[in-house]
Amino acid sequence: GENVEQHPSTLSVQEGDSAVIKCTYSDSASNYFPWYKQELGKGPQLIIDIRSNVGEKKDQRIAVTLNKTAKHFSLHITETQPEDSAVYFCAASEAGTALIFGKGTTLSVSS
Amino acid sequence: DVKVTQSSRYLVKRTGEKVFLECVQDMDHENMFWYRQDPGLGLRLIYFSYDVKMKEKGDIPEGYSVSREKKERFSLILESASTNQTSMYLCASSAPGGVSYGYTFGSGTRLTVV
Repeated sequence: GENVEQHPSTLSVQEGDSAVIKCTYSDSASNYFPWYKQELGKGPQLIIDIRSNVGEKKDQRIAVTLNKTAKHFSLHITETQPEDSAVYFCAASEAGTALIFGKGTTLSVSS
Repeated sequence: DVKVTQSSRYLVKRTGEKVFLECVQDMDHENMFWYRQDPGLGLRLIYFSYDVKMKEKGDIPEGYSVSREKKERFSLILESASTNQTSMYLCASSAPGGVSYGYTFGSGTRLTVV
């Protein structure tokens, strides 16, 4: 089955800096790669996703890149703000199967 | 606003008790999921269901069962609770068109087994 590795487990940045979180997956059949943000006391919320026929996708300050050959994908947050502080999860799946999540990255943005 | 509602925010149960965790969604989603979340381990899939009365085992189904009698409700059952089942449990549902797409999560149930 699919296995998703996520790094780093914790990340601290200054407000205004960029943050990058990286994930690798094992199953070459996976074709859907979402990212979730979990704030304290809440369930994870989808913030951006990418499908295997796309190499990059951007939504305002966040972007995701996918390298299918290397089986890795990354989340990029630019101009970080204190409200970006949260736990971020990457996930992967093949269409028709349930998402397999990484172990999460705790992002802290200090002002 | 679409919602996934988990019936309890916090639960404390005794070892050996039968425990029911309830999840209801109001989005008419076919697919529903149960994950557990533990520090350093992320979200691990317990069971999922893609239709009423249908269920599929996830990565860690041992000690759990599920019930889906109605489309909007997906219940997780701990047949005989043990202390290693102390965890945060998250329910999610997804839109038709693919099991993976558009997960909406509930706020979670933090279960403590003593």
